[in-house]
Amino acid sequence: RKEVEQDPGPFNVPEGATVAFNCTYSNSASQSFFWYRQDCRKEPKLLMSVYSSGNEDGRFTAQLNRASQYISLLIRDSKLSDSATYLCVVCMNSGGYQKVTFGIGTKLQVIP
Amino acid sequence: DGGITQSPKYLFRKEGQNVTLSCEQNLNHDAMYWYRQDPGQGLRLIYYSQIVNDFQKGDIAEGYSVSREKKESFPLTVTSAQKNPTAFYLCASSMRGTSGRHEQFFGPGTRLTVL
Repeated sequence: RKEVEQDPGPFNVPEGATVAFNCTYSNSASQSFFWYRQDCRKEPKLLMSVYSSGNEDGRFTAQLNRASQYISLLIRDSKLSDSATYLCVVCMNSGGYQKVTFGIGTKLQVIP
Repeated sequence: DGGITQSPKYLFRKEGQNVTLSCEQNLNHDAMYWYRQDPGQGLRLIYYSQIVNDFQKGDIAEGYSVSREKKESFPLTVTSAQKNPTAFYLCASSMRGTSGRHEQFFGPGTRLTVL
């Protein structure tokens, strides 16, 4: 089983739709979680951290379920500019170093 | 403005040649990382460094070498021993810590093509 698993998609959704991505992780000792956004041929950029209680940033909501070992990202009222690949990132302390594992990414295409 | 720079943006090399990719940051971060990204795959860790004059192999270090002589700089050399070097190379940095709570910031990447 992969350490971090994501459905690569693509998810094709119309403008204004709500879309949700899930990401599962295998190591229960994982400590922190992030969603990154990566545009085509560009570097990943931090979208938001994921907190245990769940957190929201405008149209974006992230949630963590430690019992089931998954995190989710919900995008409401999708915009054309949301089209990108969304990377799930899981971090943990491993032998005195911060081990960071990236998912393969989920591709989102918002259609006019 | 604080950030991470990588150069060059595009790089072409002939088989059998070594090439060095530059990564500089002015974020005062202790930790720096090198990843490669291939189509349809996630980011894979090549090398990382938590402090000056120290670095560790990541998951796919074979055929690569690094140095960390200055806090701001973490150059990556792709040697001729790397069997399939054509890829998108990303450098990242973060605050140092073992809490696992420090997000990474990425440079714009170098796209290396071996001819």
